[in-house]
Amino acid sequence: NAGVMQNPRHLVRRRGQEARLRCSPMKGHSHVYWYRQLPEEGLKFMVYLQKENIIDESGMPKERFSAEFPKEGPSILRIQQVVRGDSAAYFCASSEGMNTEAFFGQGTRLTVV
Amino acid sequence: QQQVKQSPQSLIVQKGGISIINCAYENTAFDYFPWYQQFPGKGPALLIAIRPDVSEKKEGRFTISFNKSAKQFSLHIMDSQPGDSATYFCAATRGSARQLTFGSGTQLTVLP
Repeated sequence: NAGVMQNPRHLVRRRGQEARLRCSPMKGHSHVYWYRQLPEEGLKFMVYLQKENIIDESGMPKERFSAEFPKEGPSILRIQQVVRGDSAAYFCASSEGMNTEAFFGQGTRLTVV
Repeated sequence: QQQVKQSPQSLIVQKGGISIINCAYENTAFDYFPWYQQFPGKGPALLIAIRPDVSEKKEGRFTISFNKSAKQFSLHIMDSQPGDSATYFCAATRGSARQLTFGSGTQLTVLP
């Protein structure tokens, strides 16, 4: 039973490029959460999705960031026109339901050069 | 009001000693308080969690103490081992949702 799978593990982008981060939840999990971790800081909630729906995006920056969780396939966190300040580790978590434990993936480390 | 404040930022303990990490919260609507352990290059892993209707929860060497009136909770690691060396995060959430508010983390080093 594979855990939460994130890819790529490491991603390097030049300023102005787009970054696409993928998250495949655990089998049977239909709730996905994205968090961002800046160096030496705790994780900050970004967005909570269920299949084909964004439930809570209160932690998402207003511009350049978007997320989706289609009916088929992984959840995608998309960052357009990346800037150096976007460099961070991005973690995805999934849960079976709203009131059940969320399990984290190993993260994608984005570096903007 | 959504913050969770964690201390200390770093902690060094001798093998066999007790590691204590503290967290404080402001939002009284929080009703679920997990602790996560994170090793370098890995994602956070749930260690132990507590709800405010109990004052203490123990699982093996790990104990959470919860003080609802003071809005504080702490993690105690008994008989600390070098393998416990990691970063520990407290967190909180409210209701049935699982959007977690994390503390800033404590880097624990257990000396052999």
